[in-house]
Amino acid sequence: QVQLQESGPGLVKPSETLSLTCAVSGYSISSGYYWGWIRQPPGKGLEWIGSIYHSGSTYYNPSLKSRVTISVDTSKNQFSLKLSSVTAADTAVYYCARRVGYVETNWGQGTLVTVSS
Amino acid sequence: NFMLTQPHSVSESPGKTVTISCTRSSGSIASNYVQWYQQRPGSSPTTVIYEDNQRPSGVPDRFSGSIDSSSNSASLTISGLKTEDEADYYCQSYDSSNQVFGGGTKLTVL
Repeated sequence: QVQLQESGPGLVKPSETLSLTCAVSGYSISSGYYWGWIRQPPGKGLEWIGSIYHSGSTYYNPSLKSRVTISVDTSKNQFSLKLSSVTAADTAVYYCARRVGYVETNWGQGTLVTVSS
Repeated sequence: NFMLTQPHSVSESPGKTVTISCTRSSGSIASNYVQWYQQRPGSSPTTVIYEDNQRPSGVPDRFSGSIDSSSNSASLTISGLKTEDEADYYCQSYDSSNQVFGGGTKLTVL
């Protein structure tokens, strides 16, 4: 059973960089599939941030592309998100997920990141 | 880029049937598969429909999906409503390498 677990600071100051890691168990990232990040502001809908293929190819939401970096560390079986120059609008629950075909089949439990001084 | 527009909320009684629409703003709805996710309060989303009309194992056949090219929209239909179906539902689709979610529909079963 594939499991994903997000980790990282729950509080980030404005203008700083948000950094999160998603640890994967039950499946080797290097074996395939896309791995991505999706966020959900409190009380609002889902927003795709970006995805990375196991080989390292990345795809980002055009509205966030200038601030987002997603990377993969196959030796640790994890992938990471960096979002720079954050503002209060970046406050959200951040989910990591595995995509099989066109479907996000496995999700982490989500982690709330608050942007505040 | 394109957008997926869903009604903000729908409500129906237990045992009845409800349909949630998802309209694509540009590009053909038929050109990329549509997925539907259910999200209960405090939980991560789960897939109820993928590739327009396919159900993952474990999802009851009360859930069905379809697309309508004439209205450029997708629909999620839930029949025999149960109180446990009360949740937020999101449609999702793609355009080349860009992934888009609809704004979500809150289903109330009252």
